[in-house]
Amino acid sequence: DADVTQTPRNRITKTGKRIMLECSQTKGHDRMYWYRQDPGLGLRLIYYSFDVKDINKGEISDGYSVSRQAQAKFSLSLESAIPNQTALYFCATSRSSAYEQYFGPGTRLTVT
Amino acid sequence: AQKITQTQPGMFVQEKEAVTLDCTYDTSDQSYGLFWYKQPSSGEMIFLIYQGSYDEQNATEGRYSLNFQKARKSANLVISASQLGDSAMYFCAMREGERAGSYQLTFGKGTKLSVIP
Repeated sequence: DADVTQTPRNRITKTGKRIMLECSQTKGHDRMYWYRQDPGLGLRLIYYSFDVKDINKGEISDGYSVSRQAQAKFSLSLESAIPNQTALYFCATSRSSAYEQYFGPGTRLTVT
Repeated sequence: AQKITQTQPGMFVQEKEAVTLDCTYDTSDQSYGLFWYKQPSSGEMIFLIYQGSYDEQNATEGRYSLNFQKARKSANLVISASQLGDSAMYFCAMREGERAGSYQLTFGKGTKLSVIP
């Protein structure tokens, strides 16, 4: 089984809808991250969490919110989706004692 | 200014040959780290190699090595003996500083490597 899982893997939604992307990990890492990837722009950090009570905004947090329900779960919400939020979304995890981040398989979100 | 620059949008290499993917970075921190990730067409991001700014030797992981030139602020990835399965997008990324929040990664725009049989 994958160490970092994301659900759903693909989602098409309409403008104005609320949508939640979920991330779960079995790696035992305390740090979790949400990134989005747009063609030609690489990955950009949306939010990150160092533990359940420590959540921080990243480079592009506007229009997004997150919830860290447990050490192993980190959800990303789009309260009112808009077309320019169409992207590939990645969850990642890391240990507090190491720098490497390990990524989930990604969620491809399309907002029409 | 971009913090991570990958100047090669696309590269071709013959199978079994070595290839170097370029990455230059910009930071004023003394403590930082450089990463390389591979993204195959299936989409997942695979961690390849890490180099810390205080590491005296270049990092190596199997066929991957990182050519770290601190004065030039470059962290090029060298893949030896290329295989067809190496065809993918490759991203260079950087973390800056030791302070809280330094585990955020800044990514370059990537280089698409194609291995020719």
